[in-house]
Amino acid sequence: GAVVSQHPSRVICKSGTSVKIECRSLDFQATTMFWYRQFPKQSLMLMATSNEGSKATYEQGVEKDKFLINHASLTLSTLTVTSAHPEDSSFYICSASITGYTEAFFGQGTRLTVV
Amino acid sequence: AQSVTQLGSHVSVSEGALVLLRCNYSSSVPPYLFWYVQYPNQGLQLLLKYTSAATLVKGINGFEAEFKKSETSFHLTKPSAHMSDAAEYFCAVSDRFDMRFGAGTRLTVKP
Repeated sequence: GAVVSQHPSRVICKSGTSVKIECRSLDFQATTMFWYRQFPKQSLMLMATSNEGSKATYEQGVEKDKFLINHASLTLSTLTVTSAHPEDSSFYICSASITGYTEAFFGQGTRLTVV
Repeated sequence: AQSVTQLGSHVSVSEGALVLLRCNYSSSVPPYLFWYVQYPNQGLQLLLKYTSAATLVKGINGFEAEFKKSETSFHLTKPSAHMSDAAEYFCAVSDRFDMRFGAGTRLTVKP
C-alpha cells in the first residue's frame, strides 16, 4: 500500500522558536496533502489542505501565519509552527491523497511539545 | 455539508466477545465511508472503506462494516475481540473533496 512518512515523530522545542514537520509520500505522487491536529483523547481536526504548487487552504480559525504550509512537490509537504507556544503542543498528523478523497494515507504523526 | 456521528465514546468488551462500533453519517452526495484505527501516539491505519461497491465491506484484522443507506449507518463489527484490538477507532466520511472524522470510539478489551 501507499506509504506516507512523517518526520520527526517527536520534537521538543523552546517557546518562541519555530518547528518544521515534514510529510512525504514515499511511493506515490500526492496531488493533495492534509494537515490535522489532534488534542488528547479527541478526534482529528483538519487544519489545512494543500495542493502541489499552490497556496494551502486553511480551515476557519486556523492562523495561516502561525502554521505555515508549503507543498513544494508532489511528494513533500511541510508544516512549520512559527513562534511556538505551549498551547501549540499537540499531535500533528498529515495525510496524502492521490485524486480526491477516495482514500487518504496517513503519516505516523508528530508529537510536538513546546516548553 | 457532511458529518459523522460515532455513538459511544468508549466501548468495553470481553476478549472473544462481539465488537460493535456505531457510526452514522450525513452526506448530500453518495459518500465514501472509512474506518480507521489509531494506536497511542501513532497515525491512522485504514481498516476498511466503502466506495459504492458491495455494501458489506471486509477489512483487515477480521473487521467488517455494512453500509446501510436507509439507516445512514456504517457500523463496524468483529465477531471475536482480541486484546490487540484495544485502540481508538474513527469513522470518516468523504465526498471526494473533503473528509470529516467522527469523534472517535475508544475500544477496551477485558481479559
